[in-house]
Amino acid sequence: GIQVEQSPPDLILQEGANSTLRCNFSDSVNNLQWFHQNPWGQLINLFYIPSGTKQNGRLSATTVATERYSLLYISSSQTTDSGVYFCAVEGGTGGFKTIFGAGTRLFVKA
Amino acid sequence: KAGVTQTPRYLIKTRGQQVTLSCSPISGHRSVSWYQQTPGQGLQFLFEYFSETQRNKGNFPGRFSGRQFSNSRSEMNVSTLELGDSALYLCASRDTSYEQYFGPGTRLTVT
Repeated sequence: GIQVEQSPPDLILQEGANSTLRCNFSDSVNNLQWFHQNPWGQLINLFYIPSGTKQNGRLSATTVATERYSLLYISSSQTTDSGVYFCAVEGGTGGFKTIFGAGTRLFVKA
Repeated sequence: KAGVTQTPRYLIKTRGQQVTLSCSPISGHRSVSWYQQTPGQGLQFLFEYFSETQRNKGNFPGRFSGRQFSNSRSEMNVSTLELGDSALYLCASRDTSYEQYFGPGTRLTVT
């Protein structure tokens, strides 16, 4: 099945800093989503982005499907951005079997 | 539209018991997927139901089962609970757009 690797595993930022989170996947994908998991465990949709570039406020994402990676950009980080960011993919021979990366744990200091 | 709801939110069970968790999808969504999240294994796919049929299954033992009703609500059952089944169980629903929306989860503790 598809392997998903996220980097870095942990990230500490000062409030106001920018960051880039990366998601590499080992096979072609049909679907790719980025999520933010808050401290209560809720997974919040950030982007559905199997290819191309999208922006939503301070967040943007780019997926280069041919090179098998996706990037999540966070600009002017805020303490409320803290949490775990997950990349989730579907594709290859897996059908609708979603594979999650291990996540990037972000802590933004005030 | 109301989001995905899961009940109960918290549950404590004893080893050997069984448990049933419930998930109500967003109105109009016909696909429901279940996931297990543990600190050691991360988020793992359990199974997916679409129009009352299991469409995909992850690599979990047969103690984990599920079903979907005609109104798209879904239940998952875990029989003969083990300590290692302690986890956050998440369900997600989607329509034909493929984007998944998650519920708040059920936190299961097995003692």
